[in-house]
Amino acid sequence: ETGVTQSPTHLIKTRGQQVTLRCSSQSGHNTVSWYQQALGQGPQFIFQYYREEENGRGNFPPRFSGLQFPNYSSELNVNALELDDSALYLCASSLGTGNQPQHFGDGTRLSIL
Amino acid sequence: AQRVTQPEKLLSVFKGAPVELKCNYSYSGSPELFWYVQYSRQRLQLLLRHISRESIKGFTADLNKGETSFHLKKPFAQEEDSAMYYCALRGGAGNMLTFGGGTRLMVKP
Repeated sequence: ETGVTQSPTHLIKTRGQQVTLRCSSQSGHNTVSWYQQALGQGPQFIFQYYREEENGRGNFPPRFSGLQFPNYSSELNVNALELDDSALYLCASSLGTGNQPQHFGDGTRLSIL
Repeated sequence: AQRVTQPEKLLSVFKGAPVELKCNYSYSGSPELFWYVQYSRQRLQLLLRHISRESIKGFTADLNKGETSFHLKKPFAQEEDSAMYYCALRGGAGNMLTFGGGTRLMVKP
């Protein structure tokens, strides 16, 4: 069984730039959720994708957008980067949107200079 | 709005002592609560969920709807329990998880 994998592991960008983060879900999982974890805080829900459609969104502005592909992998795109976007971005996959647990990847550490 | 509060950022105990990591929540519906753990240099992983009513690695947690709490307990702490613990609530848009701020548990020898 292949777990959730995220790339890249680390990324440095400057304000105003755009970034794309990638996530491969655990085999057999069709739902992907993205979370932002600022230093010293718990993860915050950004959005979820199920069968290539956005299935719910947290309190994040539209410059945070995503995609899910037919193989259930997913991308998180952030435009017009701000200093406060510096965080660990976590991807979690699950089977369906019901009561199955979410399995997390190692995350992508994004630093904005 | 749903919220999860973990009042202690750091909890330090000696090996063999009892442990209780506190978690309080606010949610208008019927909550589903979880504890996640992150050991050093490892990814976030599910420790237990209230609907399973099971004990994992000696840890238990009981959902108290009257006190809106889901405290994590272990009668005798081990050094390998040292980790970051997050309480989470599932509900709302996309069955999202709302996490608390986390408690770092340090078990001293």
